[in-house]
Amino acid sequence: GQQVMQIPQYQHVQEGEDFTTYCNSSTTLSNIQWYKQRPGGHPVFLIQLVKSGEVKKQKRLTFQFGEAKKNSSLHITATQTTDVGTYFCAGLMDSNYQLIWGAGTKLIIKP
Amino acid sequence: DVKVTQSSRYLVKRTGEKVFLECVQDMDHENMFWYRQDPGLGLRLIYFSYDVKMKEKGDIPEGYSVSREKKERFSLILESASTNQTSMYLCASSSHPPGGLGVGNEKLFFGSGTQLSVL
Repeated sequence: GQQVMQIPQYQHVQEGEDFTTYCNSSTTLSNIQWYKQRPGGHPVFLIQLVKSGEVKKQKRLTFQFGEAKKNSSLHITATQTTDVGTYFCAGLMDSNYQLIWGAGTKLIIKP
Repeated sequence: DVKVTQSSRYLVKRTGEKVFLECVQDMDHENMFWYRQDPGLGLRLIYFSYDVKMKEKGDIPEGYSVSREKKERFSLILESASTNQTSMYLCASSSHPPGGLGVGNEKLFFGSGTQLSVL
């Protein structure tokens, strides 16, 4: 079936280091959404990317949507303890408008 | 701010019991969704509804049913709970269905979740 692969599953970083998570779809996406889930919390919407090659920034977070609209990434510069949580992408399939979720990348800050 | 309220944060039920999970949203959203979340699997859609009394199966509807008698309320029913239904259940709502406008209105607002344990 249609899938959105998200890697890595976990990423351990020292505070101040950068973090990146990637999502790849086997089929073209209409758009892609990103969510953050804090430990013990629920997913909270961060951003939606719609256009081919789109890049959006939110402070230290940079979101990209690939030219072919099949992949996306989230990059966090200089991580802080408040960034801890699991980041999910959710791609809207062009073919049937079904939202397909990646498995998430858990950001862990090393003490 | 949109508020999506799930009736219980934790539930413990026995195998074979009928289980009701309730979800209420206060922003007059047309669309409501039930997901289950399991470690390493992300969010999987169980059922969704784009209107009152309307329901559509998601990816994993087996063993579940839903009810939407009022716009603000969407209930998930486990007819006969089984141990493999132990999971975190998340309700969500949105003002527009996926693909509706493509301008960000399809974003989902989630409830706090219900951690269901079936023993």
